[in-house]
Amino acid sequence: DIQMTQSPSSLSASVGDRVTITCQASQDITNYLNWYQQKPGKAPKLLIYTASKLATGVPSRFSGSGSGTHFTFTISSLQPEDIGTYYCQQYDMLRLSFGGGTKVQIK
Amino acid sequence: QVQLQESGPGLVKPSQTLSLTCSVSGGSITSGGYYWNWIRQVPGKGLEWLGYIYYDGDTFYHPSLTSRLRISLDTSKNQFSLRLTSVTAADTAVYYCARGVSVSITLFGDVIPRLGWLDPWGQGALVTVSS
Repeated sequence: DIQMTQSPSSLSASVGDRVTITCQASQDITNYLNWYQQKPGKAPKLLIYTASKLATGVPSRFSGSGSGTHFTFTISSLQPEDIGTYYCQQYDMLRLSFGGGTKVQIK
Repeated sequence: QVQLQESGPGLVKPSQTLSLTCSVSGGSITSGGYYWNWIRQVPGKGLEWLGYIYYDGDTFYHPSLTSRLRISLDTSKNQFSLRLTSVTAADTAVYYCARGVSVSITLFGDVIPRLGWLDPWGQGALVTVSS
């Protein structure tokens, strides 16, 4: 099994701040990594696929990078509507697995 | 655009079978290149992928659930379904259905199809296991 470790588990930042979340895979997953946003009470929404590609309609303040075992997700300028929990997900193996999530709040 | 909607009982008794259906609109469930997935989330916790059925009927389940989980297609209704047997309180969760995109990955020098990302998702259905 591939374990996905996200950090931090939660963060609080001010509007306009740059926010960075990391995801560490337990083994090399090339760039087979996606990022999702889950707003409170809602289903997850795809933001980034294949480590760095922006999904359709997603604002350009969201970005992703990384390869191998270390990945980064960035919000360049945090907006009030960005509050929620962010998850990474690997697809190197048939069995998909998600990171534990990072809860983002506004300070 | 494609939309998914879960439906089914919100309360199931322990040891019984949990059954949910995902209705797909805006596209055919038999369109090539898509995997149809179930994911669950215990309230306040993270996401757990359960399994998929490919458009051709091929299935793959989470190793911890292979003895209890079945996913099936109903092409006449453009739906797919989940059946989870012998449920316990640990199966209480919000259950999501989601479309999975097929991608090509390189494995030991061979290019093979693989489930990639999940998009879109249904709104989710809370199922509580309790007597």
